[in-house]
Amino acid sequence: GAGVSQSPSNKVTEKGKDVELRCDPISGHTALYWYRQSLGQGLEFLIYFQGNSAPDKSGLPSDRFSAERTGGSVSTLTIQRTQQEDSAVYLCASSPKGGWRSPLHFGNGTRLTVT
Amino acid sequence: KQEVTQIPAALSVPEGENLVLNCSFTDSAIYNLQWFRQDPGKGLTSLLLIQSSQREQTSGRLNASLDKSSGRSTLYIAASQPGDSATYLCAVSGGTDSNYQLIWGAGTKLIIKP
Repeated sequence: GAGVSQSPSNKVTEKGKDVELRCDPISGHTALYWYRQSLGQGLEFLIYFQGNSAPDKSGLPSDRFSAERTGGSVSTLTIQRTQQEDSAVYLCASSPKGGWRSPLHFGNGTRLTVT
Repeated sequence: KQEVTQIPAALSVPEGENLVLNCSFTDSAIYNLQWFRQDPGKGLTSLLLIQSSQREQTSGRLNASLDKSSGRSTLYIAASQPGDSATYLCAVSGGTDSNYQLIWGAGTKLIIKP
């Protein structure tokens, strides 16, 4: 079956521009996570969506970052006024239920480069 | 605050050798620990998940152990093959931080030389 799909796979943008990253989770998965992976670093939690509950945005690094999930399916991560330190791989993952028992399924990520 | 450390950051061994990757964590109050594999330009693939009540899990040539009290886990790879070359990450869930957030190590980049 189809896995988690992320687009674009690569994005190069100029400093100060806005970018949108898209994640299509596995159909039926209620939980969706966004992580950021910088070179040589562990994954950094950004945001968590679970069903119709209010998302946990506690990992978003600044108010330039926002995310939404429409209809409990597709999610978009938006970064406004991009900075060079935003350059990283942005990974999306979904799971059937959320919580610590439920395995995560990752997309291939979007590599963002801010010049 | 939970912190996860993986040592070494990189490892290169000849094909056929058995090897051990290490993961340590500072808060022993975890629900589970997972090992993932990441290939270049790809997402992460879950390899093994050990619940807090378990001591080890095995899948094929992989064996993961967990010692909660000492805050350590190891991933043992038997009879390594070039296809095992990848970055291996460990992550813990639960503890005092959250019941769903994973806290990640930075990974060990493994190269198996033919």
